[in-house]
Order: sequence, then C-alpha cells, then structure tokens
Amino acid sequence: DVKVTQSSRYLVKRTGEKVFLECVQDMDHENMFWYRQDPGLGLRLIYFSYDVKMKEKGDIPEGYSVSREKKERFSLILESASTNQTSMYLCASRTGYGKETQYFGPGTRLLVL
Amino acid sequence: GDSVTQMEGPVTLSEEAFLTINCTYTATGYPSLFWYVQYPGEGLQLLLKATKADDKGSNKGFEATYRKETTSFHLEKGSVQVSDSAVYFCALIGGSQGNLIFGKGTKLSVKP
Repeated sequence: DVKVTQSSRYLVKRTGEKVFLECVQDMDHENMFWYRQDPGLGLRLIYFSYDVKMKEKGDIPEGYSVSREKKERFSLILESASTNQTSMYLCASRTGYGKETQYFGPGTRLLVL
Repeated sequence: GDSVTQMEGPVTLSEEAFLTINCTYTATGYPSLFWYVQYPGEGLQLLLKATKADDKGSNKGFEATYRKETTSFHLEKGSVQVSDSAVYFCALIGGSQGNLIFGKGTKLSVKP
C-alpha cells in the first residue's frame, strides 16, 4: 500500500514564526502536492512538484514556499506564520500524470496564535 | 476553467437509508472522475473512480457512473451505515496542469 506520512498531526505556532510541514511518501512517486482544507472552501492547492527540485504554484501560493530536495520528501514552509494560515494541511502524491490516483497523508492541523 | 459542483451538506440520514450525493462538472475533454472520502480526523482516501464515459466506479457498496451527457458523477449507496459518516469529495483531473480539482465536500451524518 502507498503510504504518505506527515510529520505532525497537530501543531500550535505563534504569529511570525517560521513553520515547516514535512511530507514523506514511500512509493517513488514523481508528483507531490500540498493542499489546505478550510470549512466551506474545500481543498485548495498551494504548491506541487513534478520532480526533485521542481515546484509549481497552485491556486493559493501566497505566504508559502516549498522544498523538494529528495524525491520522497516535500516540505511546506510558512516563512512568517499568520493567523489566517490556521488550517488543515494535506499532502498528497501520485505517479506520473493524467488519470492517476492521488494518495493523501493524514493531514496536519495547524493553529497559529 | 474546469470545476466541480457538489450538493451542499450536511446530509443527515438514518441507518439503512438510500444515499445520493450529486456531483456535476465542467471540463474540456473527458477527465477522470473521483470520489474521495474523509473520515473524522483523517486525510482523504480514494473511494472510487471512473476514467471514461459510462464507466461505473464502485467500492464498499458505493457506486457512481460517469455520465458524459449530463456531465455528472453522482454517488449512491443503497443502505448507509453509521460508519459511513464522513465528508465526501467529488473531484476531477483537469486544468492546464492535470491536477485534481475538488468540489467543496458534502458532510454525511448517519444516525442509528
């Protein structure tokens, strides 16, 4: 089975802190994704990556950056956390392109105070 | 651009009731269509998918048929259980970069 893991299930940070969310997948998938999930808004794509050291902006990249130094690991970085970044963050991965299934991690619920 | 519209919740049903969650889409071409489920406190899991017109995806008693003529992919289950309580997301692969595009989710609560 594909396994996507995220470093934390719950995080509490203060405004202005730098926050790292880590995601690791064990199936040698090329593509990895970061979403945020908010009530009434569904899932929105923040960033994605097609390959190591490659990244593409999604629908809501402002206030975020990403890093993909190894194929299995995709990090989401909040350079200076703000209260409007309080959310559930979901990582996903898939192989290839087009019709392939995405597999999701369990999510990180981030609270910024 | 490509989009997915699904019925707003919450939906509350009694155990053994029939479930339909409507999903329609707008897309160029013939996208793959998906239903994902999110149980409380967890990430999303793929429930079923269909990759071409008239395909029927099925899993765990849930079914959905890819209807090109009505651009729909409605989720159905004949007899829901309390354990089906979750948020259900309809999605398609589309857009210029072939990523998942989600509906806003429908929360289902099943009462015993």
